[in-house]
Amino acid sequence: AQKITQTQPGMFVQEKEAVTLDCTYDTSDPSYGLFWYKQPSSGEMIFLIYQGSYDQQNATEGRYSLNFQKARKSANLVISASQLGDSAMYFCAMRASTGNQFYFGTGTSLTVIP
Amino acid sequence: SAVISQKPSRDICQRGTSLTIQCQVDSQVTMMFWYRQQPGQSLTLIATANQGSEATYESGFVIDKFPISRPNLTFSTLTVSNMSPEDSSIYLCSVDTGDSNQPQHFGDGTRLSIL
Repeated sequence: AQKITQTQPGMFVQEKEAVTLDCTYDTSDPSYGLFWYKQPSSGEMIFLIYQGSYDQQNATEGRYSLNFQKARKSANLVISASQLGDSAMYFCAMRASTGNQFYFGTGTSLTVIP
Repeated sequence: SAVISQKPSRDICQRGTSLTIQCQVDSQVTMMFWYRQQPGQSLTLIATANQGSEATYESGFVIDKFPISRPNLTFSTLTVSNMSPEDSSIYLCSVDTGDSNQPQHFGDGTRLSIL
């Protein structure tokens, strides 16, 4: 069975600072994908970044980077130079290569303070 | 990525009534899914919408309560039937190529409140 754990219900960060959102996962599949989504208060789910289990390099997309530590089964999202518009819920998700179902964590609410 | 149009974006309904949510994609997609997100919670998969056949429901969700249609590869509907206040949630459709290294992409969601 697949499981995603996000242990930070809420986080605060000063504008222009960096913040790390934690995500750990559990799976017995050797091949899987890890995803991060942003959900603003308006409700839509916005895909941010992807990391494959066999990728050697940490994924980066603009101000977003993924700190992937396979042995520790963690895939933390790093947001650099935080902006007020980054205030939202952030969900970590996983899909094993053997299936199509996405497994979502419980989310972290990020608040950027001016 | 595919452009997904979901409507209505929000609605307020009376208990005992039903509401149909539509999800339209601008290109043919292999897989479509429906999720429920209760207030302050994560996403829960309701069902996989199968083109031309009955949807595949997850544990805890039944066809009588959440009938789903998918007449073609670009369109699906979810009906929330005989609504009660416990059905107040955001309902989201998503599309998937089936490639394990690709994300699911979501519609903007339907925010449903039941009085």
